[in-house]
Amino acid sequence: QVQLVQSGGGVVQPGRSLRLSCAASGFTFRNFGMHWVRQAPGMGLEWLAVISGDGSKESFADSVKGRFTLSRDNSKNTVYLEMNSLRHDDTAVYYCAKGAIGSTDSWGQGTLVTISS
Amino acid sequence: DIVMTQSPDSLAVSLGERATIKCKSSQSILYSSDNKNYLTWYQKKAGQPPKLLIYWASTREFGVSDRFSGSGSGTDFTLTISSLRAEDAAVYYCQQHYSTPFTFGPGTKLEIK
Repeated sequence: QVQLVQSGGGVVQPGRSLRLSCAASGFTFRNFGMHWVRQAPGMGLEWLAVISGDGSKESFADSVKGRFTLSRDNSKNTVYLEMNSLRHDDTAVYYCAKGAIGSTDSWGQGTLVTISS
Repeated sequence: DIVMTQSPDSLAVSLGERATIKCKSSQSILYSSDNKNYLTWYQKKAGQPPKLLIYWASTREFGVSDRFSGSGSGTDFTLTISSLRAEDAAVYYCQQHYSTPFTFGPGTKLEIK
């Protein structure tokens, strides 16, 4: 069965960087795009970014464009979200999700990122 | 960017009754090449990741109860939950997968009376 196991969350100061990881199993990882979505405390879901199966295409929400980068290592079945210049409003639970045609059908457990001085 | 809106913001429905949630996109999300609406519904409970319910506006994800159904086309969509059960209490989100950024609606909180 599909599993997405996330790691890398924690508390970080404003302006610093953090990298989240999402390790996949149970499917042919290189064949699927991978998404990142977050939910700030008390707020709704916010789509952040997607990277294509081969890593050649990426797209970002305006709120993180230029600050967050995506990468994936298909030999390790892992996708990464590198978050730079972090701000207080980046505090959220971050989810990775497996892309499907017209949806995201499997999700990681979520990892909490807290931006605090 | 495509803006997604949902109504109502919240609703309370009795056990066994039906709940109806609306979602509207700021432009059509019907993809002409495959005649599919790129509208997805998720269920979100506190402390859990979102759960995919419906994709292509009306296709139920494998394993999802047939009490959940989706309808609509173009810009207007509906999620219907019939014969409500206590475990259906959650926040429901629509999302468009037509064009990036793949925006979500603000969510509708469903409470069980």
